[in-house]
Amino acid sequence: DGGITQSPKYLFRKEGQNVTLSCEQNLNHDAMYWYRQDPGQGLRLIYYSQIVNDFQKGDIAEGYSVSREKKESFPLTVTSAQKNPTAFYLCASSTLTEDTQYFGPGTRLTVL
Amino acid sequence: QKEVEQNSGPLSVPEGAIASLNCTYSDRGSQSFFWYRQYSGKSPELIMSIYSNGDKEDGRFTAQLNKASQYVSLLIRDSQPSDSATYLCAVMVRLPGTYKYIFGTGTRLKVLA
Repeated sequence: DGGITQSPKYLFRKEGQNVTLSCEQNLNHDAMYWYRQDPGQGLRLIYYSQIVNDFQKGDIAEGYSVSREKKESFPLTVTSAQKNPTAFYLCASSTLTEDTQYFGPGTRLTVL
Repeated sequence: QKEVEQNSGPLSVPEGAIASLNCTYSDRGSQSFFWYRQYSGKSPELIMSIYSNGDKEDGRFTAQLNKASQYVSLLIRDSQPSDSATYLCAVMVRLPGTYKYIFGTGTRLKVLA
């Protein structure tokens, strides 16, 4: 089965902790994205990557970091600098020629 | 002004009726338009994409695009209770060397049995 997987489904973070959210895709897509969704708000772009070992900041990158060491993987780290991390995090991917984005199942992060 | 604007709803329609969801966008350079359905607690799933003015039909769904009015809509015919969800409108804008997706906040649809 081709698709995008995210883990864990639910994640709890204590104050001051860094946590890493996993995103893996086997669609052979070049581009990958991280979004954050808060209640009543649209998806906001955190980071995106169009090629291995390269990534760009989105609209709300502060307090987050990413890596793209493999085409299939685009993990997101939520650092302690992110003051309000409780949200639903969505990973997406697309090819560079077809512009449709496909989403993973999401990770719900709660800060305790 | 928000870049992609949708009425948050809820939009309530009786089962079997036509549901009409609307979206306006501000960037005239927008080239691709998407409708996603999102059930509560789940991730968005693509319903339709549309690229040129006019209508595009896929089963019970019809997307309509009017670039002059910067308006895109989604019609759902024969609405079913299972269509109850939030519908996200998304717009893709090409930038030099890359592109950007902008999402609306979504319209919540309730189909009443």
